[in-house]
Amino acid sequence: GENVEQHPSTLSVQEGDSAVIKCTYSDSASNYFPWYKQELGKRPQLIIDIRSNVGEKKDQRIAVTLNKTAKHFSLHITETQPEDSAVYFCAATVFGNQFYFGTGTSLTVIP
Amino acid sequence: GAVVSQHPSRVICKSGTSVKIECRSLDFQATTMFWYRQFPKQSLMLMATSNEGSKATYEQGVEKDKFLINHASLTLSTLTVTSAHPEDSSFYICSARSKDRNSPLHFGNGTRLTVT
Repeated sequence: GENVEQHPSTLSVQEGDSAVIKCTYSDSASNYFPWYKQELGKRPQLIIDIRSNVGEKKDQRIAVTLNKTAKHFSLHITETQPEDSAVYFCAATVFGNQFYFGTGTSLTVIP
Repeated sequence: GAVVSQHPSRVICKSGTSVKIECRSLDFQATTMFWYRQFPKQSLMLMATSNEGSKATYEQGVEKDKFLINHASLTLSTLTVTSAHPEDSSFYICSARSKDRNSPLHFGNGTRLTVT
């Protein structure tokens, strides 16, 4: 199946700074790339997603970029806030058949 | 919208017994459901994919006879851990999407299984 790698595994930033999380995937047929945020003890929640026909998508402080040629995509969080602290997972899928997740990034925003 | 309910949230069972976990989509028809296992501070490992009315597709290394999956209706999928052993203790979480292959995944709240 698809192999999704995610870096870094942990990330600490000062409040107000930006955070960037990067993922790579192996299956060139993957066409949908969601990002999930999981707070401690809670279910993963979709925060943003991007499809293969788009190179960038932005939703307020969150943006995702996709480079299909290099098979990598990134999550960008600007003006970070303490409530952004959580574990973030990227995922990749081929037409929603199976969703494969990255290894997760534990983000800590220091007030 | 798009609520997925998973029960039980916690279960403790003795070694050798079986445990059933239910995953329900409350406000949409879940054509496809996915079962994941999550170890502490680790990622979501896909165990199997189930399509309504069909046999589940298991990922490599997942024993289909040990982790029985049934997806008998468009709103319910069950995972049964048979003859559970302590090494099966983990956090199991289901997710579902609708018939639209472009729709995102929605997760249940997970089940913490402890086998003593």
